[in-house]
Parts: sequence; structure tokens; C-alpha cells
Amino acid sequence: AQSVAQPEDQVNVAEGNPLTVKCTYSVSGNPYLFWYVQYPNRGLQFLLKYITGDNLVKGSYGFEAEFNKSQTSFHLKKPSALVSDSALYFCAVRDSGGYQKVTFGTGTKLQVIP
Amino acid sequence: EPEVTQTPSHQVTQMGQEVILHCVPISNHLYFYWYRQILGQKVEFLVSFYNNEISEKSEIFDDQFSVERPDGSNFTLKIRSTKLEDSAMYFCASSPGRGTEAFFGQGTRLTVV
Repeated sequence: AQSVAQPEDQVNVAEGNPLTVKCTYSVSGNPYLFWYVQYPNRGLQFLLKYITGDNLVKGSYGFEAEFNKSQTSFHLKKPSALVSDSALYFCAVRDSGGYQKVTFGTGTKLQVIP
Repeated sequence: EPEVTQTPSHQVTQMGQEVILHCVPISNHLYFYWYRQILGQKVEFLVSFYNNEISEKSEIFDDQFSVERPDGSNFTLKIRSTKLEDSAMYFCASSPGRGTEAFFGQGTRLTVV
């Protein structure tokens, strides 16, 4: 079975400071990893993914994430937070050798304080 | 930019009634999905659909649920006899192939009263 853990329900960061939203995963094979963002009353917007290759992946809106196989982590980062980054962030995983089912984490609410 | 379109945006139905949620996936995509999210909680997988058949479904997707791609562009989710606990935001998604990200629609908020 595959699973995702987002240990923080909420992360608060001051505008202009770096931010990190944590994610760890569990799959039986090699992981495909994704980050999505959800603004209030909106759908899920794709931010970035790791499939293979470089462990540091860059995505939309200045976000990046680092795949760490030994720690089974895929933390989302941004060097300088904006107030407009405030939203709900979901980490997701699927097994590269398995079916298409993607398992989402419980989400982390990011609050960027002006 | 192509997007997944869902209608209606909000559906209110009485318990026990049938409801059909509509989705138009991105046109060149091959894999289609339904997910649900109960009141801002975890996003839960319901079903995936490929090559005109269900490729995977979760334990949530019981006999009350069905999916259909009736005309090559629409992808529908039917709930035969709705229950109060079916109230949720339902998201349709599509992806072009294996190992690719899924693109989500804006969702249909289903309220069962």
C-alpha cells in the first residue's frame, strides 16, 4: 500500500522568509511524487513532480522540492514566501510500477504573514 | 490553456436520489479519475478509467457508484442512491499517460439533504 504523511497541519511564515512544507511517503516500488495547491473553493492546481532524474525539481510560482530517497521525503520549498502563497498544499504519491491511483496527504495549510 | 471542466459547480439533491456529475477531460488525455474531498479534508481516490474501462477503484467506490464515458468527450460519475455522507466536493481529473501529473477540474460540490 502507498501512503503520504504531511506532519504539519499548518505552517506559518513571514513574508519574504523561506518556507518548507514537509512530506514523507511510502510505496513498495519507485515513487512518482507530486505537489498540488488548493486555494479556497477551488480545485487542485499542479505545482511540480518528481518522476526520475535530478533530486531537486523546480515547479510553478518559484516552488521547488527535493526528493530524498533515504529519508523517503519530498519537502516543498520556496526561498521567499509571498502572501499570495497562502493556501492548502497537498503532497501526493503513486507507485511507478503500479496502477494509476494517486494517494494524497492530509494537506498543510500555509499561512504567509505580511 | 486546456483545462478539465466540471458541471454543475454545485448540486443539491435529496437523500436516496440519483445524481450524475459531469466532466469534460482534456481532449488528448487517456486516463480519467474521480476523487472526492469531504469539507476541506483529505482528497480521496475513487476510481480511475482507461481504455473505456475501470482500471482501479477504491473501497469507497461501491455498487452505488458508476462511471461512464458515453461519447468520447464526457466522463460522468453516477451515484444511484445518495446518502448524507456522500456530501463532498467531487473532483474529476485527467492525465495524458502513465507517470504524468493529473490535471484537476474545479470540482462539483454535492450536498445531500
